[in-house]
Amino acid sequence: EVQLVESGGGLVQPGRSLRLSCAASGFNFDDYAMHWVRQAPGKGLEWVSGISWNSNSIGYADSVKGRFTISRDNAKNSLYLQMNSLRAEDTAFYYCAKGDGWANWGQGTLVTVSS
Amino acid sequence: DIQMTQSPSSLSASVGDRVTITCQASQDIANYLNWYQQKPGRAPKLLIYDASNLDTGVPSRFSGSGSGTDFTFTISSLQPEDIATYYCQQYDNFLLITFGQGTRLEIK
Repeated sequence: EVQLVESGGGLVQPGRSLRLSCAASGFNFDDYAMHWVRQAPGKGLEWVSGISWNSNSIGYADSVKGRFTISRDNAKNSLYLQMNSLRAEDTAFYYCAKGDGWANWGQGTLVTVSS
Repeated sequence: DIQMTQSPSSLSASVGDRVTITCQASQDIANYLNWYQQKPGRAPKLLIYDASNLDTGVPSRFSGSGSGTDFTFTISSLQPEDIATYYCQQYDNFLLITFGQGTRLEIK
């Protein structure tokens, strides 16, 4: 069974940093692209970033480009999102999702940016 | 970037009704379109992939159609458990994904 478990969310002040993790199991992690998607409270879904299986191809939404960095460690079956210079508008649930089908999502981790 | 225009933003229907949601892409995306259902406090659930294929275990009352720029999602006979928000998503470029704005479906 495919499982994706996000962690690392919490309350952080504007301008500070936070690193999210997504632990994957139940599939060959290094065969698949992975993505981060976020959802502000009461709002719609927003794709944040994606990374190819071998980390050679990476993309970001304009709203996070230059502030967020996606990475993966295939040996640890883990996906990461380094979030710097956080803003109030980054407050959201952050989901990791398995690419190539998009059928599998984690349960999400809440990031709250507030002073 | 590809923009996805989803409509309506909200919809009220009765049990047993046929419900239709549309999504229009700002450029040709072939059939690279998914439809999701999301209930409060839950992650999105994939219903339809590649515009018209039902994901495993999804009831047959759900269907999708379209290609190019115009897509339709249909519930043939609305059930109480279908109350949720529905989203389309294009993945023409797997590193430039966009979602529609969502359709909140309520029971009349």
